[in-house]
Amino acid sequence: DIQMTQSPSSLSASVGDRVSITCRASQSISSYLNWYQQKPGKAPKLLIYSTSSLQSGVPSRFSGSGSGTDFILTIGSLQSEDFATYYCQQSFITPYTFGQGTKLEIK
Amino acid sequence: EVQLVESGGRLVRPGGSLRLSCAASGFTFDDYGMSWVRQAPGKGLEWVSGITWSGGSTGYTDSVKGRFTISRDNAKNSLYLQMNSLRAEDTALYHCARRGLGDYYFDSWGPGTLVTVSS
Repeated sequence: DIQMTQSPSSLSASVGDRVSITCRASQSISSYLNWYQQKPGKAPKLLIYSTSSLQSGVPSRFSGSGSGTDFILTIGSLQSEDFATYYCQQSFITPYTFGQGTKLEIK
Repeated sequence: EVQLVESGGRLVRPGGSLRLSCAASGFTFDDYGMSWVRQAPGKGLEWVSGITWSGGSTGYTDSVKGRFTISRDNAKNSLYLQMNSLRAEDTALYHCARRGLGDYYFDSWGPGTLVTVSS
């Protein structure tokens, strides 16, 4: 199975900050990398698919980049509603594995 | 509006069986592949199983192969997960998720149904 490793596991930041979360795959997954946001007690929400494509309705402050094994989710200017847990997921090959999550907290 | 609503989760003894259902609405169900994704309490996300739009192809994560069976009824806009030989490690919130049209990402999720395996 492809292992997905996110860093950091947790992150403290302030409203208005620019933050980045890294996701590393244990083997090349081309651009088959997706990002989700999950708030407590809620279902995950798709933010970005295929590394850098913004899902409909997602604010443009979210962006993604990378290829091969290393990927980054960037939030351009944090808003209060962005404090949540973020997961990456590879869709290159089954089983479609997720990273362990990055919890973004208010500083 | 896309809606996915799971049901069927409950407390079950180890070795027991359970059938989860997911009712879909707000989109053309038989245009989309579907999956089950679970989340153990306080843990991350784990893809469990997926099925193509026609039901002709299915896939499972290794830990559930031979125990779980995914199926769908396009006439009823419903997805199912038959879970047999349940183990304590199957305890989780089970989400029904719609696969995106272009790739194996999940663009809509249900709120989940809780399965607890305990004696």
